[in-house]
Amino acid sequence: DGGITQSPKYLFRKEGQNVTLSCEQNLNHDAMYWYRQDPGQGLRLIYYSQIVNDFQKGDIAEGYSVSREKKESFPLTVTSAQKNPTAFYLCASSIKGGVVNTEAFFGQGTRLTVV
Amino acid sequence: QKEVEQNSGPLSVPEGAIASLNCTYSDRGSQSFFWYRQYSGKSPELIMSIYSNGDKEDGRFTAQLNKASQYVSLLIRDSQPSDSATYLCAVNGDNNFNKFYFGSGTKLNVKP
Repeated sequence: DGGITQSPKYLFRKEGQNVTLSCEQNLNHDAMYWYRQDPGQGLRLIYYSQIVNDFQKGDIAEGYSVSREKKESFPLTVTSAQKNPTAFYLCASSIKGGVVNTEAFFGQGTRLTVV
Repeated sequence: QKEVEQNSGPLSVPEGAIASLNCTYSDRGSQSFFWYRQYSGKSPELIMSIYSNGDKEDGRFTAQLNKASQYVSLLIRDSQPSDSATYLCAVNGDNNFNKFYFGSGTKLNVKP
């Protein structure tokens, strides 16, 4: 089955730790995205990538880093510089970035909690 | 920062009724519009996309777009308890089609 797989589903981070969230897609989509969702709020864009080896900061990139070494994979690292990392993290992909009329599809999300 | 506004609700409707969800957006250049359904604790699921003014129907769902008024709506006919969820409106377009901007969602409760 084609889809977007995020792992782990739940993640606990200690203060000062870096953690990496995995996102893999087998839809052959060019564009991938990371969003953060806080309770009662909409999704906010952290990073996005249109093609392999290229990515751009979204609206709330501080304290996060990404890589796009393979078309299928777009991991997100939450660094210790992110002061309030507890949130629901969502990875999405779309067929092609930078064009109109492209739909985004989401993975099942990773819920990160700082302990 | 582009804004997408939705009434947070909850919107309560009886089973079988029509639920009407509304969304306004600030960027007049937006060109693509989407409705996602999100069950509690789950990820958003795309249910409708609309790109031109007017109505688009898919089963019990109808999306309506009015670019002049910067307004998007979603109608759910014959509402079912399984439709109870938060509905997110999203837009993209203008100079950068890579950025989907989301509203905070409207919580819909369909009462049996």
